[in-house]
Amino acid sequence: QQQVKQSPQSLIVQKGGISIINCAYENTAFDYFPWYQQFPGKGPALLIAIRPDVSEKKEGRFTISFNKSAKQFSLHIMDSQPGDSATYFCAASKGAGNMLTFGGGTRLMVKP
Amino acid sequence: GAVVSQHPSWVICKSGTSVKIECRSLDFQATTMFWYRQFPKQSLMLMATSNEGSKATYEQGVEKDKFLINHASLTLSTLTVTSAHPEDSSFYICSASSRGSGGTQYFGPGTRLLVL
Repeated sequence: QQQVKQSPQSLIVQKGGISIINCAYENTAFDYFPWYQQFPGKGPALLIAIRPDVSEKKEGRFTISFNKSAKQFSLHIMDSQPGDSATYFCAASKGAGNMLTFGGGTRLMVKP
Repeated sequence: GAVVSQHPSWVICKSGTSVKIECRSLDFQATTMFWYRQFPKQSLMLMATSNEGSKATYEQGVEKDKFLINHASLTLSTLTVTSAHPEDSSFYICSASSRGSGGTQYFGPGTRLLVL
């Protein structure tokens, strides 16, 4: 059973545009929601994370929006750049130090 | 951010041999380390969770006798793929977390294993 569903699987955005990736979870016990960025042949790198006590968190060009009642959260990348082209994974866990359940990933391509 | 290293970064071995992959937290003490497996264009699948000084907890479907995990210290965990076969070829990634980091998991760069 896939507990974290991520969409879209792939996304093409023009340089300067907004990239939006969505995730939905089923387990209401999840209370930590990080986003990771992964380049080919590399390990994932933490981008930004949110807990359910806030509805939005922004770090630079990256923003997480969180809707607890809908059990959904999304990543917005403002002013997308070609260097942002990578695979993005959402994840969820019960507590920040515990096992992560990953979404299926979104391959983002930002065209110059 | 915290740094996690893996060694080797890639390895090619013959079928039937064993391969050991090391995961080190370089600048923090990792109370918990995780091992993941990732096939091309797929997501990360958790294989096992290990806490320093105790036996690893394996996910359903992961053979503990084939994938031996040792977490001997707060900075080192090893994954040994025993009697490797071509179907074990994959990208293996570790992550580490600590209470001091707020529980954030930091990932290593991964090890690509190719079994011939």
